[in-house]
Amino acid sequence: DTGVSQDPRHKITKRGQNVTFRCDPISEHNRLYWYRQTLGQGPEFLTYFQNEAQLEKSRLLSDRFSAERPKGSFSTLEIQRTEQGDSAMYLCASSSWGAENEQFFGPGTRLTVL
Amino acid sequence: ILNVEQSPQSLHVQEGDSTNFTCSFPSSNFYALHWYRWETAKSPEALFVMTLNGDEKKKGRISATLNTKEGYSYLYIKGSQPEDSATYLCAFHRSQGNLIFGKGTKLSVKP
Repeated sequence: DTGVSQDPRHKITKRGQNVTFRCDPISEHNRLYWYRQTLGQGPEFLTYFQNEAQLEKSRLLSDRFSAERPKGSFSTLEIQRTEQGDSAMYLCASSSWGAENEQFFGPGTRLTVL
Repeated sequence: ILNVEQSPQSLHVQEGDSTNFTCSFPSSNFYALHWYRWETAKSPEALFVMTLNGDEKKKGRISATLNTKEGYSYLYIKGSQPEDSATYLCAFHRSQGNLIFGKGTKLSVKP
């Protein structure tokens, strides 16, 4: 499968714990994006990378959230001291450069914070 | 605040019916408009990327139009089938970075 993959698909954690998600983009794509979708809403942008550089961060990305893409390939999203409001679907997407280049999405990681 | 609005929120149709949804977006700083189809437990699937005013794109029974001057796009499904049941998302692309999504239209097609 050469699509975008995410791991894990589901994560249940207790409030206050740290969690880390991984995204493996399509190999030739230099851009990688993180989005979050909560119930009844569309996906909301969190951050994106071009190669290993983090170029834009949303105001939604509080200081408890950190994302990395150390070698310009896979990316990790860490949430520290999780809160119940962090419960959501976390989606990763990748693309090549350019307006007409589609963002290809992974299946998402569903986080439930108890 | 940049808002992308989709209507209707949900739609129930019979197999064979044709249907359409609306996406409205800011008409300034337009870069591209994306349509996605998202089935439960699967990845969102890109349907169309539209960049030019007056663009019309078609993929099988699904087509889309774009009006960037007035800030709207229509998605049409001709002869709906049960496998078309999904949430259809549109997303406004205002720069080289992030997409701004609407809340989606949830389509249910009854056999």
